[in-house]
Amino acid sequence: GDSVTQMEGPVTLSEEAFLTINCTYTATGYPSLFWYVQYPGEGLQLLLKATKADDKGSNKGFEATYRKETTSFHLEKGSVQVSDSAVYFCALSAGVYSGGGADGLTFGKGTHLIIQP
Amino acid sequence: EAQVTQNPRYLITVTGKKLTVTCSQNMNHEYMSWYRQDPGLGLRQIYYSMNVEVTDKGDVPEGYKVSRKEKRNFPLILESPSPNQTSLYFCASSSGQGITFGSGTRLTVV
Repeated sequence: GDSVTQMEGPVTLSEEAFLTINCTYTATGYPSLFWYVQYPGEGLQLLLKATKADDKGSNKGFEATYRKETTSFHLEKGSVQVSDSAVYFCALSAGVYSGGGADGLTFGKGTHLIIQP
Repeated sequence: EAQVTQNPRYLITVTGKKLTVTCSQNMNHEYMSWYRQDPGLGLRQIYYSMNVEVTDKGDVPEGYKVSRKEKRNFPLILESPSPNQTSLYFCASSSGQGITFGSGTRLTVV
């Protein structure tokens, strides 16, 4: 079945450091890929997505590129802030409506990111 | 405002006492689903529904029931809760353009 593997944290960085959170996946077909963010005490919010190979999703300074050859979707940010402290989930959807994940999302276990001032 | 509303936000109950967590969306989405979030396990899908009266099991359906009598509502029912169902639960809805999650229900079964 489909699966997502992401680096487990916590990951602790200083403010303005460069961030990479690795994510690799296993899926049949051509899934859509997502990064979700969960701030303390809140639900999940879509951070960015990519629906086909070589697409780059970006939002709030975060970027991730859909790499089919390496089955990866690593999340990067050039300069993190304390407000980026959260749990980040990589996810995929290979359903009928794969653009929006209507067949359900398969999540990684989440990476807890802590940014220190 | 487009949203998915879950109630209650927090619930403490005893083993075996039936409970329902409600979920409602105002976006006219066809697809709705329930997930549970547990430390070290991420989010796992419990049940999903592709439309009214159409539901199917996700990855961890044991001990749960759902119903979809109306498009906007998708309640999660625990007929006889057990301590291993202590978790953080999320409802979600989607139209194919992206999934919107509710704010979560933290359930503790003692």
